[in-house]
Amino acid sequence: DTEVTQTPKHLVMGMTNKKSLKCEQHMGHRAMYWYKQKAKKPPELMFVYSYEKLSINESVPSRFSPECPNSSLLNLHLHALQPEDSALYLCASSQQGFDYNEQFFGPGTRLTVL
Amino acid sequence: AQSVTQLDSQVPVFEEAPVELRCNYSSSVSVYLFWYVQYPNQGLQLLLKYLSGSTLVKGINGFEAEFNKSQTSFHLRKPSVHISDTAEYFCAVSRNNNDMRFGAGTRLTVKP
Repeated sequence: DTEVTQTPKHLVMGMTNKKSLKCEQHMGHRAMYWYKQKAKKPPELMFVYSYEKLSINESVPSRFSPECPNSSLLNLHLHALQPEDSALYLCASSQQGFDYNEQFFGPGTRLTVL
Repeated sequence: AQSVTQLDSQVPVFEEAPVELRCNYSSSVSVYLFWYVQYPNQGLQLLLKYLSGSTLVKGINGFEAEFNKSQTSFHLRKPSVHISDTAEYFCAVSRNNNDMRFGAGTRLTVKP
């Protein structure tokens, strides 16, 4: 299984809602990533988890809260978002412990904040 | 910090023509270089990567790229494109395992 799955595919939420994005992989990867991609822009790194611990937080606003409950799952909890947070949210995973490990990307969750 | 510049935001070509998508990088240390493709409403798929060794790298779907250290370039090429190659292409650079930075992207449009 060389797939990263993300749910839901689409999400529409109001600015007062609380929602979560889910990412799952069963490749035994110990690094997982959240990226944000605005339309016609490249992906921007948000968070990196390494061995289930947060290792990189790219100064993301606190209304985004990541969680890595185990080595296969990665969540992104959303609360009090703004319309400018509307974007495609991509999850990726990779092995750890080598000089370089390929990142495998999921299909993304398209988020619309009203 | 490392960064990449994709010199063309859009590249229109006719089917079966050759194509080159340009990418330049900047870094004061050795880096790893990648090309990803993104089809509409999908995630990113790795086309090819340069880690070390031979400067000519062959990838999937008939694409190849050449690492040129003196010109700090990593241009992507395909000798004959198909309609199905229409997509967004991203060049990316990484200095270590977890820190990947993408270029702005090049929209390749293949016309019949």
